[in-house]
Amino acid sequence: GAGVSQSPSNKVTEKGKDVELRCDPISGHTALYWYRQSLGQGLEFLIYFQGNSAPDKSGLPSDRFSAERTGGSVSTLTIQRTQQEDSAVYLCASSPRGQLGGNTIYFGEGSWLTVV
Amino acid sequence: TQLLEQSPQFLSIQEGENLTVYCNSSSVFSSLQWYRQEPGEGPVLLVTVVTGGEVKKLKRLTFQFGDARKDSSLHITAAQPGDTGLYLCAGRIIQGAQKLVFGQGTRLTINP
Repeated sequence: GAGVSQSPSNKVTEKGKDVELRCDPISGHTALYWYRQSLGQGLEFLIYFQGNSAPDKSGLPSDRFSAERTGGSVSTLTIQRTQQEDSAVYLCASSPRGQLGGNTIYFGEGSWLTVV
Repeated sequence: TQLLEQSPQFLSIQEGENLTVYCNSSSVFSSLQWYRQEPGEGPVLLVTVVTGGEVKKLKRLTFQFGDARKDSSLHITAAQPGDTGLYLCAGRIIQGAQKLVFGQGTRLTINP
C-alpha cells in the first residue's frame, strides 16, 4: 500500500507475555519512528531509526522494550514481560530523509495493545 | 514534565463558534507542527511553521508561531462538526532534528 502499515491493529495479551508489533514504512522512506499514545493523550517518543545509523533509543521506557529494523525497511517493536501500564496505542511513522524529502512524518493507524 | 503544554485539553462548543487552542513551552523550537487525529487513525499533518511570527492559513484554520518560537496557536473560525478531533502540536528543538516532541493534545468537539 501507499501508506505506513502496522500489524496487528489490535492485540490483547496476558500480563507477563511477550508481544511483537510490526511496521512497514512507506517505500523509500529511510527514517522510521515508534511512538506510544495512551488513551486520548499525546504521543510519547520511543525510538527512531535513520538509515544505517545507530538508532536513537532515548525514549524506550525500560529494558523490556526493544526494536529493530531489518534491511532498512520493516521494523519490529518487542515488549517483553508485558505489564498493564504497557496498554496503549503504538504508532509507527516514516519520513523521507534530507531536505528534498522535507520533514513531514507519515503515521500508520497504530497497533492497539491491551494487557490484561 | 511536559515540554509542550497544550490548552485547553478539552473543548466542546457549538457549530459556528470560533475557538483558539494554545501550545506553549519554555524551550525554543526550530519548527512547530500541528496535527489532527481522528479515532482509530494516526495523526495527520496540518501545517508546519518555521519562522517566528509566521502566520499560515488553511481555509478556516489560522496557525501562528510566536515571535520567540516558544509558542503557537491554532484558531478555527466558524467551527463545523467535521472539525471534531484531537489536535496535537509537535516541535523540533534542534534544527534538522528528526525527533518530534508532542504536546498532550486538545480534544475538540463541535456540536451541531
